[in-house]
Amino acid sequence: QSALTQPASVSGSSGQSITISCTGTSSDFRDYRSVSWFQQHPGKSPKLLIFDVSRRPSAISYRFSGSISGNTASLTISGLQPGDEADYYCCSYRIITTPLYVFGTGTKVTVL
Amino acid sequence: QVHLQESGPGLVKPSETLSLNCAVSDDSITTNWFSWVRQPPGKGLEWIGEIFHDGTTHYNASLRSRVSISMDTSENQVFLRLNSVNAADTAVFYCARHRTGSNTFDSWGQGTLVIVSS
Repeated sequence: QSALTQPASVSGSSGQSITISCTGTSSDFRDYRSVSWFQQHPGKSPKLLIFDVSRRPSAISYRFSGSISGNTASLTISGLQPGDEADYYCCSYRIITTPLYVFGTGTKVTVL
Repeated sequence: QVHLQESGPGLVKPSETLSLNCAVSDDSITTNWFSWVRQPPGKGLEWIGEIFHDGTTHYNASLRSRVSISMDTSENQVFLRLNSVNAADTAVFYCARHRTGSNTFDSWGQGTLVIVSS
C-alpha cells in the first residue's frame, strides 16, 4: 500500500505559522471530504485535530486549520507554540480502495 | 469522554497468534465503528481494520489473510487476532473509535506494545 506523502520535517519559530502538506492520488482523495489530521507527542497516542478536511473538534484550538486543493491536503498551525512540537499525520478515507483508511508518512514539527 | 484500554501479551513468538482486547468504557460500542491501528517503533501509522456492532468488518488487504476483528457488546470489548506473526508485526497497537458521522477516529486507547521475538 502507498501512504500519503508528507514532508519529513517542518520547523518554525514561536509565534510563526507553518503548513504541512499531504499529497496523494486521485483515489486517495476521491471522498474529498474525509481528510483528517492527528497530532502525536512522543510516547502518546494520536489526537484528532481536524476532520472532514477543515472541521475542528470542540476542544481543539482555532490555531489549527485544514484545507484541500486537488490531491493535496494541508494543515496550518498558526501562532506556533512549544507544545506544538510533535509528529503530525494526515489520514484519508478512500471509500472503495483498500485499505479504506490510509495515513500519511508523518511530519515532525520542531519549534525553534 | 469514552475511554479505550488495550490489553494483551507484550511478547509473541514468531508464527504464533497475536491476540489483543480493547475495553470500551461506554455504550458507544453499540453505535460507533471501531478500528485497530498499529505503529511499528519509530514509524508511521497503519490501519488494520474496522468493525461495527452488527458484525460487519473491513480489513486492510495487506493483512486480510491473517487478521480477524470481533466484538462482544455485552462485555464492551473489541478483539484483534493476527495470525502467523513475524518480526515485522512488532508494533504499538491502538484501538480507536470512529467519530459519529465522519470517517475518522475521535478517541484512541493508550496503545499496547507487542514484540514478536523468540
